[in-house]
Amino acid sequence: QKEVEQDPGPLSVPEGAIVSLNCTYSNSAFQYFMWYRQYSRKGPELLMYTYSSGNKEDGRFTAQVDKSSKYISLFIRDSQPSDSATYLCAKTNTGNQFYFGTGTSLTVIP
Amino acid sequence: DVKVTQSSRYLVKRTGEKVFLECVQDMDHENMFWYRQDPGLGLRLIYFSYDVKMKEKGDIPEGYSVSREKKERFSLILESASTNQTSMYLCASNPPGETQYFGPGTRLLVL
Repeated sequence: QKEVEQDPGPLSVPEGAIVSLNCTYSNSAFQYFMWYRQYSRKGPELLMYTYSSGNKEDGRFTAQVDKSSKYISLFIRDSQPSDSATYLCAKTNTGNQFYFGTGTSLTVIP
Repeated sequence: DVKVTQSSRYLVKRTGEKVFLECVQDMDHENMFWYRQDPGLGLRLIYFSYDVKMKEKGDIPEGYSVSREKKERFSLILESASTNQTSMYLCASNPPGETQYFGPGTRLLVL
């Protein structure tokens, strides 16, 4: 079983929609979780990270961790065409080893 | 801002050539990593290093080697490039216990 599982999509939504991106993880010995955004032919860009259960908000983005179900989510409010990218979830136990989902491709249609 | 740079954005090489990919970070990070990214397979760890002159094999080290002579620089070497090494190569760095930052990637095509 992979450390982090992510639905690859693709996901296509109209502009202004709320987007929900989800991952599950298999090992409870975690430290923190991250979301990366990767535009086509570019490197992943750190979007958000969170240490604990609950929600962390940054502008239109909310990262949510549910430790009881081993579920991590990223919500995007008022989605924009510029949000079209691949989103990667990741976790680390120690800050020395990182485990990534395979990424979800998102397209926001104007 | 953390900056991780990679020597080339695009490379085209011939089968059997020796290929050098360089990565430099400017934030004095101890940890550096090399991944390759392929459609449907996600990020796969090739090698990583926690300190100068230190290196550890990742999940797919075969056909690759690395060098870390200075803290800020981590080089990936393809000893004899093969077509199955055509991929996107990503370098990342982080201070211990903190999040990882990526470079822009090198798209390598081996003909």
